[in-house]
Amino acid sequence: AQSVTQLDSQVPVFEEAPVELRCNYSSSVSVYLFWYVQYPNQGLQLLLKYLSGSTLVESINGFEAEFNKSQTSFHLRKPSVHISDTAEYFCAVSKRGGSQGNLIFGKGTKLSVKP
Amino acid sequence: DTEVTQTPKHLVMGMTNKKSLKCEQHMGHRAMYWYKQKAKKPPELMFVYSYEKLSINESVPSRFSPECPNSSLLNLHLHALQPEDSALYLCASSQDPGRTSYEQYFGPGTRLTVT
Repeated sequence: AQSVTQLDSQVPVFEEAPVELRCNYSSSVSVYLFWYVQYPNQGLQLLLKYLSGSTLVESINGFEAEFNKSQTSFHLRKPSVHISDTAEYFCAVSKRGGSQGNLIFGKGTKLSVKP
Repeated sequence: DTEVTQTPKHLVMGMTNKKSLKCEQHMGHRAMYWYKQKAKKPPELMFVYSYEKLSINESVPSRFSPECPNSSLLNLHLHALQPEDSALYLCASSQDPGRTSYEQYFGPGTRLTVT
């Protein structure tokens, strides 16, 4: 079975500071990795995903995540955050070749960006 | 159109009421999902429909009854709910039920309060 650990439940940062949201996963098989963002009172939106190939993946709004197989991690980073990045961030995994319901979420990290 | 819509946005119902939540997507996706999300928690999978057939039921109580009338619509019928069923109900869809590499697209959710 797969599991996802998001090490920080809350991350407060000041605007324009860098941020890293940590995600570790556990799986005995190969997985796909996702970061979803949930803004207040909204549904989840895909931020980025790792399927294969280059271990560094980027989103259109400046976030990036790096897949590290040896450390079973998929940390999310942004060099300079904005107030508008305040949201809940969920790391998720799905098993390669698994069933369509098999998307396992971490508990989430609340990013609070202060002016 | 990459949107999943959900109605109503908010719903307050008594424990003896019968109500329905509606979800719609026009992306041609053949997998559709219902999730339940409590405050400050990740989404919990309830049901998965694959090609309009129920493929996964995560041991959800029978007071929740899903229905997929066609490939674009997903309903969740509610009857005799309990106050602990109050939550955000999220609908999602993905392109191919057989491929876990495809991301799920989430609707904005229905905020349900059971009184």
